[in-house]
Amino acid sequence: QQQVKQSPQSLIVQKGGISIINCAYENTAFDYFPWYQQFPGKGPALLIAIRPDVSEKKEGRFTISFNKSAKQFSLHIMDSQPGDSATYFCAARRSNFGNEKLTFGTGTRLTIIP
Amino acid sequence: GAVVSQHPSRVICKSGTSVKIECRSLDFQATTMFWYRQFPKQSLMLMATSNEGSKATYEQGVEKDKFLINHASLTLSTLTVTSAHPEDSSFYICSAISTSGTDTQYFGPGTRLTVL
Repeated sequence: QQQVKQSPQSLIVQKGGISIINCAYENTAFDYFPWYQQFPGKGPALLIAIRPDVSEKKEGRFTISFNKSAKQFSLHIMDSQPGDSATYFCAARRSNFGNEKLTFGTGTRLTIIP
Repeated sequence: GAVVSQHPSRVICKSGTSVKIECRSLDFQATTMFWYRQFPKQSLMLMATSNEGSKATYEQGVEKDKFLINHASLTLSTLTVTSAHPEDSSFYICSAISTSGTDTQYFGPGTRLTVL
């Protein structure tokens, strides 16, 4: 019940295109869903996060779409740029009551080609 | 955003020695800090949850006597890898949640440990 399934494992997108990464969760108690971006040799950095009370959240070129009934959420990167090439992790957690841990997806290695 | 630092960023040690990694929240107080381990091309694996002033909670399969965690203040947690062996070589990352109660979990830059 704690799993978060992420797909695809790797993704190649042309510059200017839309990158889409999908995640699905099982635990209906999860109510906080962040996406992290990680460059090689660096720690993950929070990109954007969503709660189930909204179906979509947009920050710049990054958008999270959330489907509560399907228990799925996805990250869309519009106008993808070479600098977006990184590994992306979705995650999920119950609301922060002190020490709730994040459950991470397996990661998607995104490559943006010119 | 809030900043979490780790020191050292890289460490190389001989087998059998102990290595201490520090994790600091620089501009906020952290009630809870987490320690992760990450192997190449894999996801983050939670090792333990560290609460200030109390014993850490270790995930199943993580040896608490080998990976000693101390969270002595609201801005500092340390991970000590005792009697390190080559199989302990990995990328260790800490993260912290602010006492202000937000959901955001901030990650440090990671420490690359190589045991010869």
